[in-house]
Amino acid sequence: AQSVTQLDSQVPVFEEAPVELRCNYSSSVSVYLFWYVQYPNQGLQLLLKYLSGSTLVKGINGFEAEFNKSQTSFHLRKPSVHISDTAEYFCAVSGKSSYKLIFGSGTRLLVRP
Amino acid sequence: NAGVTQTPKFQVLKTGQSMTLQCAQDMNHNSMYWYRQDPGMGLRLIYYSASEGTTDKGEVPNGYNVSRLNKREFSLRLESAAPSQTSVYFCASSTTGDYGYTFGSGTRLTVV
Repeated sequence: AQSVTQLDSQVPVFEEAPVELRCNYSSSVSVYLFWYVQYPNQGLQLLLKYLSGSTLVKGINGFEAEFNKSQTSFHLRKPSVHISDTAEYFCAVSGKSSYKLIFGSGTRLLVRP
Repeated sequence: NAGVTQTPKFQVLKTGQSMTLQCAQDMNHNSMYWYRQDPGMGLRLIYYSASEGTTDKGEVPNGYNVSRLNKREFSLRLESAAPSQTSVYFCASSTTGDYGYTFGSGTRLTVV
């Protein structure tokens, strides 16, 4: 079975500052990893995914994440955030032979002017 | 627009009432899922259907039933609603092997 821990429930940051949202996972098998974003009163939208290959994954809206197998982490980063990045971000994991995504509890990113 | 459509968007039920949440996708995806979202708990899988004709329990199936009516449609039924089922429900779909889910916009359900 897999599990995901998002260490921060809320991250406040000023506009144009860099940000890192942390995600750690637990699994006894090889995994696929994902980050989703949820804007207020909307569904979830895929930001990026790691399936295999390069451990640095680039996604939409300038976000990127790095897969670190030894630390079982998949942290999300953006070098300069905008007000419009204010949203909730979810890390998710699935086993390579599973259809099911297991989500973390979410991190609310609050970008202040 | 192509995607996942959920109905209704909002619903208030009295304890003990029943209802069915509808979900349809027009992307020819094989797999469909129902999640519930509660504050501080992320999304938890209720039921999923890996392909037409199959359904399986997720993390929190108690109090729910599902039907995969055809490849496009996957419904979630609450037979006797309880206040603990107050939540936002999301339907999602994916292509087998792709592992990128497309989510609907959600159903906000309140049970009083």
